[in-house]
Amino acid sequence: QKEVEQNSGPLSVPEGAIASLNCTYSDRVSQSFFWYRQYSGKSPELIMSIYSNGDKEDGRFTAQLNKASQYVSLLIRDSQPSDSATYLCAVNMWGRGAQKLVFGQGTRLTINP
Amino acid sequence: DGGITQSPKYLFRKEGQNVTLSCEQNLNHDAMYWYRQDPGQGLRLIYYSQIVNDFQKGDIAEGYSVSREKKESFPLTVTSAQKNPTAFYLCASSIDHEGWGTEAFFGQGTRLTVV
Repeated sequence: QKEVEQNSGPLSVPEGAIASLNCTYSDRVSQSFFWYRQYSGKSPELIMSIYSNGDKEDGRFTAQLNKASQYVSLLIRDSQPSDSATYLCAVNMWGRGAQKLVFGQGTRLTINP
Repeated sequence: DGGITQSPKYLFRKEGQNVTLSCEQNLNHDAMYWYRQDPGQGLRLIYYSQIVNDFQKGDIAEGYSVSREKKESFPLTVTSAQKNPTAFYLCASSIDHEGWGTEAFFGQGTRLTVV
């Protein structure tokens, strides 16, 4: 089982609709969860962080965390063509005596005008 | 300006050569990471470090080496033992908060090509 899993997509959503991205993780004691957006050829940029169960909203983005189910999601409302990118889920986990940041394989999202 | 600087942006290596990728941060972050990204793939962890003079192997450390002699610097050497080094290399750093990492921020990346 991979430590962090995402549906690789591609996910295609019409402009103005809600895009829903999902992520599961293996380490029950993880406390920190992040969503990054990556445009082709560029480095990832942080768009959301979440540390507590429930929803966290920032503009058109909502992150949802359910630690009991080991599940994190990202909702993008009123999707715009500029939201077309790869979305990476990242989770802090304990490695060899130190904490490490592990990424999923990413979900490629396309917003269709 | 505060941030993470990776250099060079593009690097070409001949087979059998070692090359070193630079990563410097002036954010006073404790943790630093190196990732490798292949086309259409996610980020795979090569090495990570929480404190100076200490680092751990990630999932794909074979053929790579690192050092952490200063808090702000975490160079990655790609050795000749790495059989397929052509990839996009990303360095990141984050603050440690009560034993758990906070948000990590990335440099612009180094694109390494073997010629």
